[in-house]
Amino acid sequence: DTEVTQTPKHLVMGMTNKKSLKCEQHMGHRAMYWYKQKAKKPPELMFVYSYEKLSINESVPSRFSPECPNSSLLNLHLHALQPEDSALYLCASSRKGLAGGASTDTQYFGPGTRLTVL
Amino acid sequence: GQQLNQSPQSMFIQEGEDVSMNCTSSSIFNTWLWYKQDPGEGPVLLIALYKAGELTSNGRLTAQFGITRKDSFLNISASIPSDVGIYFCAGQGGETSGSRLTFGEGTQLTVNP
Repeated sequence: DTEVTQTPKHLVMGMTNKKSLKCEQHMGHRAMYWYKQKAKKPPELMFVYSYEKLSINESVPSRFSPECPNSSLLNLHLHALQPEDSALYLCASSRKGLAGGASTDTQYFGPGTRLTVL
Repeated sequence: GQQLNQSPQSMFIQEGEDVSMNCTSSSIFNTWLWYKQDPGEGPVLLIALYKAGELTSNGRLTAQFGITRKDSFLNISASIPSDVGIYFCAGQGGETSGSRLTFGEGTQLTVNP
């Protein structure tokens, strides 16, 4: 089983709203990721959690706030977003967690949340 | 940073034809991954390659990890309409990227019945 689930599937929000995206995996994976993807472009890494600790923040604006309550769950809290933040937000997980150097760890993606900011 | 060149950008083929796409990099990777993405869905892993020179098949799909560790190709044989989508290559475990995935720009495949 390589399933990563995400809710909601679609989200429409105003620029003053606060909302959250949720991601869950039950594969015992120790690394979880948030990506942002614009139409017909590859995913862009936003955040990485390894063993429930934030390991990488790719200079993401503070209006995006990640949270990892436990090893199976990953949230992305949204506040005061801009229309250009509209995109497909993807969660992914991998087994081993981050390691330095040339370590590799296959990532499995969820179905994504289609976010529209009005 | 590392960049991947993926080609072609798009392909329009007839059902039953074979398809080939490839990715090249200016630096080495330890792993090559091929994902397929349907509209509005997340990328689905098709094939993972972990060893230089490795040739791996998954049904009608065949992928190879180049011997120089700087390239990979994906072949699809006897294409069917459900092969439509965007195919992304990704390199991982390179000299500077660690566990980060470096994606190609994608190949948009259209299959005409």
